[in-house]
Amino acid sequence: AQSVSQHNHHVILSEAASLELGCNYSYGGTVNLFWYVQYPGQHLQLLLKYFSGDPLVKGIKGFEAEFIKSKFSFNLRKPSVQWSDTAEYFCAVNNPNTDKLIFGTGTRLQVFP
Amino acid sequence: DTEVTQTPKHLVMGMTNKKSLKCEQHMGHRAMYWYKQKAKKPPELMFVYSYEKLSINESVPSRFSPECPNSSLLNLHLHALQPEDSALYLCASSQRQGRTEAFFGQGTRLTVV
Repeated sequence: AQSVSQHNHHVILSEAASLELGCNYSYGGTVNLFWYVQYPGQHLQLLLKYFSGDPLVKGIKGFEAEFIKSKFSFNLRKPSVQWSDTAEYFCAVNNPNTDKLIFGTGTRLQVFP
Repeated sequence: DTEVTQTPKHLVMGMTNKKSLKCEQHMGHRAMYWYKQKAKKPPELMFVYSYEKLSINESVPSRFSPECPNSSLLNLHLHALQPEDSALYLCASSQRQGRTEAFFGQGTRLTVV
């Protein structure tokens, strides 16, 4: 069975600080990997995705993530956060053969000016 | 058009009521999902429909009954719910299988009284 874990539950940063959020998944087969963001009062939006190829993927709003297959990890990074990045961030894993999209527990990011 | 539209946005129902949530997409996606999200928690997968057929039921109680009348519509029928069923119910859709991401609606905020 597939599962996703996010180790950082709540992260507090000042503007311009660098961000790295951890994500590990458990599944032996081929997976698609995603990071979604949920701004307060808004719907889930896709930040970035990995299907295959270059393990370093770039998403919207300056976010990027690196897939490390040997570590079953897909960590999210941003060199310099802004106050507007305050949101809940979810890592998600999809088995492309079953359409089963599973979310990690989420990381609440608070950025202070 | 990358929209998934959910109605109603808010719903208050009694424990003896019958109500339905509606979800619509016109992106030609063949997989549609229902998720339940409690406050400060990740979305939990409830049901997946692929090509209008129920493919995944995550052991959801029978008081929740999904229906997919056609490839663009997904309903969730509610009957005899409990107060603990109060949550944000999210609908999503994706191209079935392969390299595909899910698009989410804004959700229906359900309160059971």
